[in-house]
Amino acid sequence: QVQVEQSGAQVRKPGSSVKVSCTASGDTFKNYAITWVRQAPGLGLEWVGRVIPDIGSRNFARQFQNRLTITDDESTHTVYLKLTGLKSEDTAVYFCAWGLKTFGVAPDSWGQGTLVTVSS
Amino acid sequence: IVMTQTPLSLSVTPGQPASIACKSSQALTHTSGQTFLNWYVQKPGQPPRLLISEVSARLSGAPDKFTGSGSAVDFTLKIRRVEAEDVGVYFCMQSFQMPFTFGQGTKLEI
Repeated sequence: QVQVEQSGAQVRKPGSSVKVSCTASGDTFKNYAITWVRQAPGLGLEWVGRVIPDIGSRNFARQFQNRLTITDDESTHTVYLKLTGLKSEDTAVYFCAWGLKTFGVAPDSWGQGTLVTVSS
Repeated sequence: IVMTQTPLSLSVTPGQPASIACKSSQALTHTSGQTFLNWYVQKPGQPPRLLISEVSARLSGAPDKFTGSGSAVDFTLKIRRVEAEDVGVYFCMQSFQMPFTFGQGTKLEI
């Protein structure tokens, strides 16, 4: 397992964008996939997207296709989620989670979560 | 793939067993023979923690009172003797096909 740290809570206005960072310790970019999951207040878990930095693979949930960007910086072991065109329904805790990139492996190292509040 | 958990809430007397069912809308078995069904537990204010992967493989640190079983589309998580520390929300998640999808969660209370 790796240790994962996420950036702090943010408040954004509707229509704006948000960028959340996720940094892992150690030599972690090789062989790892990073998954983003969000959880609206009091609700369940929703898969947002997944990247495998060392092979440039990116998959996003269909409902975010036009608004979501996931980038990575290998030098700092950091992955960024950027969501544009924010709506009140995007208010949620956004988790990043790391796991081996092998097919079917579930992520087992999670960040603490970043609360994104969308409000006018 | 739609994941359906039952029940959505469960109240258990300490020392008694608990069982949570998870059903997928299609089979989760790969041609390799592996079945990609996983169980997470989430405690208040914490991220989910992976308990069991590939139906029945307990993660390091997961107590052996947690047992996963099942195949194809029907899966079960059993807790042998529930204690206060087991309180939380349990989620199944399929990692067979993207987008990975979660069950609605089962809230376990004492």
